[in-house]
This record gives sequence, C-alpha cells and structure tokens, in this order.
Amino acid sequence: DGGITQSPKYLFRKEGQNVTLSCEQNLNHDAMYWYRQDPGQGLRLIYYSQIVNDFQKGDIAEGYSVSREKKESFPLTVTSAQKNPTAFYLCASSISGLKSEQYFGPGTRLTVT
Amino acid sequence: GENVEQHPSTLSVQEGDSAVIKCTYSDSASNYFPWYKQELGKRPQLIIDIRSNVGEKKDQRIAVTLNKTAKHFSLHITETQPEDSAVYFCAASKGGGSQGNLIFGKGTKLSVKP
Repeated sequence: DGGITQSPKYLFRKEGQNVTLSCEQNLNHDAMYWYRQDPGQGLRLIYYSQIVNDFQKGDIAEGYSVSREKKESFPLTVTSAQKNPTAFYLCASSISGLKSEQYFGPGTRLTVT
Repeated sequence: GENVEQHPSTLSVQEGDSAVIKCTYSDSASNYFPWYKQELGKRPQLIIDIRSNVGEKKDQRIAVTLNKTAKHFSLHITETQPEDSAVYFCAASKGGGSQGNLIFGKGTKLSVKP
C-alpha cells in the first residue's frame, strides 16, 4: 500500500483555475496511469505512461495534461478546460510487459466550485 | 475497443450466504481479468485475478471463473461476512505494454447484512 502515494487527499479550487495532482511511486514500475472515478461510472482512464518521457491519452483526456519526467512521478494537471472536474482521481502503476496488475494510490478528491 | 459490462450494480446478501458478480467482455483477445475491491473512501485493491489459460481460480472464500467461449467471467464469494461489504470492480485487458490497459466494469456495491 505504501508504494504509491497521492497528495493531497482533498483539494478545493475555484472554477477557472488549473490544479496539479501529485502521484509518486517507489515500486520501480515502468507504467503509470490516471483514472477518474465518478459515482456509478467505474474507473475511466485519463492518461497513461508506459515509460519515462512518453505518455498517451486515455478515454477521457480532454481538459487534462500530464508529464513523465521521472520514473517515480506522474503528475496530472486538471485545466480550466475540463468542464466537470469535480471527481475522485486515482493514480496507479504497474510493471510493464506481460504483467498487468495495477497498484492504486489512495486517491485525491477534487472539488471545484 | 474493449467493453466490459458488470452485473448487478447492487447486491445485498445475508451474512453467510454466497454472492456472485458477473462480467462480460467484448474483445476476444483479452487475456487478463482482475477483480478489485474498493471499500468506502479507500483505494481499489486487487483481490484475485485470472488469465485466459485457466478456467477457475480460488483463494480461500473467493473464486473467479472464466468462460472464454461466452466471453464472461464471474466472482464468487462464499460464506460472506460484513467486512466483504464494498464495491467490486471487474476489468479486462489484453496483456502488457499499451495493450495492458485495464478496461473496468462500472462496479457492484455489495452489502452483507449481519
């Protein structure tokens, strides 16, 4: 559980402001992922990265941006272009290759008013 | 692309009874099927997974079955306990690399009544 961390746990922002969510892992995993969780919607993939300095859009990337400058870190920026940013955001990591088991962070609940 | 359907969305059982959650997937190339348990306000945690080269896997009170022909897989929890109450998610993927992205079902909220 302690191998992947997210901060902060709760985040409040005013509409129109960009906000960056932190995700760090010390599991030496190559792949990292960002999901958004809304009630009754399951987990939806925002962005993923299989290797440092490379990332790909997921199913709902509009209004979000990411970077992967270090293997351990995969921050997510929720921009003002995201029309409905209030949600629970989960970061995950996995060993790349054939093994797909993903380990999740504790999540950040973002509220935008 | 892959689509995963999960049923039921809510499930209520009496303590000691069994619970079954079912998922269907659309992409016959999918070969990895994990189940995650998420307690209220906490992170999803892997509880069991199965790969397409086996039909059933058990771990104490939980088991997963896979029917590749019908493209569905199920989670079975026996002798349910109140601490089994949580939201359960199934997922499917085709394996590693970019194909390793998990496609999740929408979840089943299981309530175990004492």
